[in-house]
Amino acid sequence: GENVEQHPSTLSVQEGDSAVIKCTYSDSASNYFPWYKQELGKGPQLIIDIRSNVGEKKDQRIAVTLNKTAKHFSLHITETQPEDSAVYFCAASDSSGSARQLTFGSGTQLTVLP
Amino acid sequence: NAGVTQTPKFQVLKTGQSMTLQCAQDMNHEYMSWYRQDPGMGLRLIHYSVGAGITDQGEVPNGYNVSRSTTEDFPLRLLSAAPSQTSVYFCASKTGHSGNTIYFGEGSWLTVV
Repeated sequence: GENVEQHPSTLSVQEGDSAVIKCTYSDSASNYFPWYKQELGKGPQLIIDIRSNVGEKKDQRIAVTLNKTAKHFSLHITETQPEDSAVYFCAASDSSGSARQLTFGSGTQLTVLP
Repeated sequence: NAGVTQTPKFQVLKTGQSMTLQCAQDMNHEYMSWYRQDPGMGLRLIHYSVGAGITDQGEVPNGYNVSRSTTEDFPLRLLSAAPSQTSVYFCASKTGHSGNTIYFGEGSWLTVV
């Protein structure tokens, strides 16, 4: 099955700086890579996703890049703000079967220091 | 606009007790699932369902049962609680089409003593 590794487990940045979180996956059949943000006491919420036919996707201050050859993808947050502080999860899935299971990384606790 | 609703939010159980975590969604989603979240281990799939009457095991199904009698509800049953089941549980749902957004509930914090 799929295995997703995520680094770093904790990340502290100064407000206004950029943050980068990296994930690698094992199953070359995976073709869908979402990122979730989890605020304290809440459930994870999708913030951005990318499919294997695209190398990069941007949404305002958030961008995701995908390197299918190397089997890794990254989340980039620019001009970080205190409200970006949260746990971020990457995930990967393939299109086999009807359930399209997601395998999650172990999470990154991002702290944006004022 | 309720989305995915989980109850209870917090629960303390004694070892050996049984209980049911409730999950309901009002988005007419075909797919529902249960995850547990443990420190340093991300979210792990317990059970999932692709439609009413259909359930299947995920990565960590032992000690849990599910049923899907309606599209809206997907309860998770702990048969005989163990301290290893102390965790945060999340119910999630999405449409049947591949790649669509998964919506999570707010979570249920369970402690087994």
